Amino acid sequence: DIQMTQSPSSLSASIGDRVTITCRASQGISNYLAWFRQKPGKAPKSLIYAASSLQSGVPSKFSGSGSGTDFTLTISSLQPEDFATYYCLQYHSYPLAFGGGTKVEIK
Amino acid sequence: EVQLVESGGGLVRPGGSLRLSCATSGFSFSSYTMHWVRQAPGKGLEWVSSISGTTIYIYYAGSVKGRFTISRDNAKNSLYLQMNSLRAEDTAVYYCARILHGAEPDYWGQGTLVTVSS
Repeated sequence: DIQMTQSPSSLSASIGDRVTITCRASQGISNYLAWFRQKPGKAPKSLIYAASSLQSGVPSKFSGSGSGTDFTLTISSLQPEDFATYYCLQYHSYPLAFGGGTKVEIK
Repeated sequence: EVQLVESGGGLVRPGGSLRLSCATSGFSFSSYTMHWVRQAPGKGLEWVSSISGTTIYIYYAGSVKGRFTISRDNAKNSLYLQMNSLRAEDTAVYYCARILHGAEPDYWGQGTLVTVSS
């Protein structure tokens, strides 16, 4: 089974900051990686699919990169609505696996 | 408008059973692989199970294999999760989700809470 290690588990940042979150797969997953944002009490929402493709309607301040085992999600300029928890998900093979999550908090 | 509405959650004793349902509308249900994802209180997301549109492909997380059964009724546009031999660690909000379809938007239900406690 593929394990996803996400880091950091939490971070504090200010409005306008650039933030980077990483996910590492325990084995190569090509580009079969998605990123989700989850606000408290709400269902997750997809931001990125295929490692670097922006989901329709998602602002361009979000970007994803990586292939193989190492992936990053970057938020170029944090806004109040971006303070949430972010998860990666590998869908290269079953069982699917989420990363542990990164909680982005206001500094 | 695409909608996914879960039901069937509640309080159950350890060893008990529950059947979750997810009623969908607004899209061609039989064309999509569907998923159950859960989230224990204060914890991260955990993938539970997936079923392809024609039910040929079914997958489970190791933590639920042999206890949970995913199914679907394409005539009723509904997804199900039969949960048996429930344990305290199965306590979570359970989401049904239409995700991982490339450029197509993802859709999630509102979640249904399952609490396993004596």
